[in-house]
Amino acid sequence: QQQVKQSPQSLIVQKGGISIINCAYENTAFDYFPWYQQFPGKGPALLIAIRPDVSEKKEGRFTISFNKSAKQFSLHIMDSQPGDSATYFCAANRGGSNYKLTFGKGTLLTVNP
Amino acid sequence: NAGVTQTPKFQVLKTGQSMTLQCAQDMNHEYMSWYRQDPGMGLRLIHYSVGAGITDQGEVPNGYNVSRSTTEDFPLRLLSAAPSQTSVYFCASRGGSSYEQYFGPGTRLTVT
Repeated sequence: QQQVKQSPQSLIVQKGGISIINCAYENTAFDYFPWYQQFPGKGPALLIAIRPDVSEKKEGRFTISFNKSAKQFSLHIMDSQPGDSATYFCAANRGGSNYKLTFGKGTLLTVNP
Repeated sequence: NAGVTQTPKFQVLKTGQSMTLQCAQDMNHEYMSWYRQDPGMGLRLIHYSVGAGITDQGEVPNGYNVSRSTTEDFPLRLLSAAPSQTSVYFCASRGGSSYEQYFGPGTRLTVT
């Protein structure tokens, strides 16, 4: 049972465009939703995260939109740059004493110059 | 402050061999975990630890052992390597009340 479904698998965007990656979850006990960015040959690094008590969080060109009733959240990258080309993972964490992150399968983003 | 370090970076094993992947962190983090990353599968949790002496299984624990004798170190042992364990392995740590996990650079393991 895949608890966090991520789409699309891959995405090609022109420089300056908007990149949108979507995730859906099933477990309503999840209380923390991070996005990780991974460059080739490197470990994932936290990009931005949101809790379910807010509907949107923005940090620079990166925005998370969160829809609690639909159990969906998405990452928007505004003014996409070639340096944003990477694999992006959404994830979800169940609160309480369970600190395990459940990851989506990842989206390979390519931003063409 | 080196963060999370992993050794080796690359390893080739023959089926049936054993080895230990090393992970260390210098941030005094209580929580450490091991993930494997396979193409199209995302990151899957193997084992995790919430403190020295405490470990638990994740999503894909079979074929792997862990122990946590110190806060800093969290080694992952493959007792009898199988080709299905060919993957990239990431160690991560998290501290205190923060949910942010810090990942190491990974170990690429090939089992022939």
